[in-house]
Amino acid sequence: EIVLTQSPGTLSLSPGERATLSCRASQSITNNYFAWYQQKPGQAPRLLIYDASSRATGIPDRFSGSGSATDFTLTISGLEPEDFAVYYCQQYGSSQLTFGGGTKVEIK
Amino acid sequence: EVQLVESGGGSVQPGGSLRLSCAASGFSFTNSWMHWVRQAPGKGLVWVSRIKTDGTYTNYADSVKGRFTISRDNAKSTLYLQMNSLRAEDTAVYYCARGGSGYIIGWGQGTLVTVSS
Repeated sequence: EIVLTQSPGTLSLSPGERATLSCRASQSITNNYFAWYQQKPGQAPRLLIYDASSRATGIPDRFSGSGSATDFTLTISGLEPEDFAVYYCQQYGSSQLTFGGGTKVEIK
Repeated sequence: EVQLVESGGGSVQPGGSLRLSCAASGFSFTNSWMHWVRQAPGKGLVWVSRIKTDGTYTNYADSVKGRFTISRDNAKSTLYLQMNSLRAEDTAVYYCARGGSGYIIGWGQGTLVTVSS
């Protein structure tokens, strides 16, 4: 099973600031099959990024994904009030899909 | 409108069984891989299982292998999760989700399963 470790656990930022979230895999992810999700309290998750850097339908361009092999990054270029949430990474390069533990982006 | 509506959750004693259902509408169910993902209260997301469009391929997280069975009825646009030998650590909200074989593009609102004596 591929273990995904997200950092930091919590990110305290102000609206308008840039957020950089990291996810490290315990082994290389095949074909960069890597996704990012956003989850707000009481809601189901929402897909943001797939294949490491492709934005999902309807996702604003302030969200971007990058990385390869074992190190992946989600960047939010300027935080909007609605972006404060928990973010999860996920790999689907192996038969056992796995999620990271999550990064909470909170208002400073 | 795309809808995934889970049902069948509830409280069960350790060792017991439950069958979750997920009624799908608003998209091509027969062309979608389907997944179950769970989330324990206050915790992160955990992938549980997935099934191929025609039901010919399934796989499971190690934590549920041999105890849970995923299935689908394409004629009814319904996904199932049969859960046997339930343990306290299976307590979670169970989400039905659709996508490709890997990433997930749509989620239900979830159904809560509580395993407790």
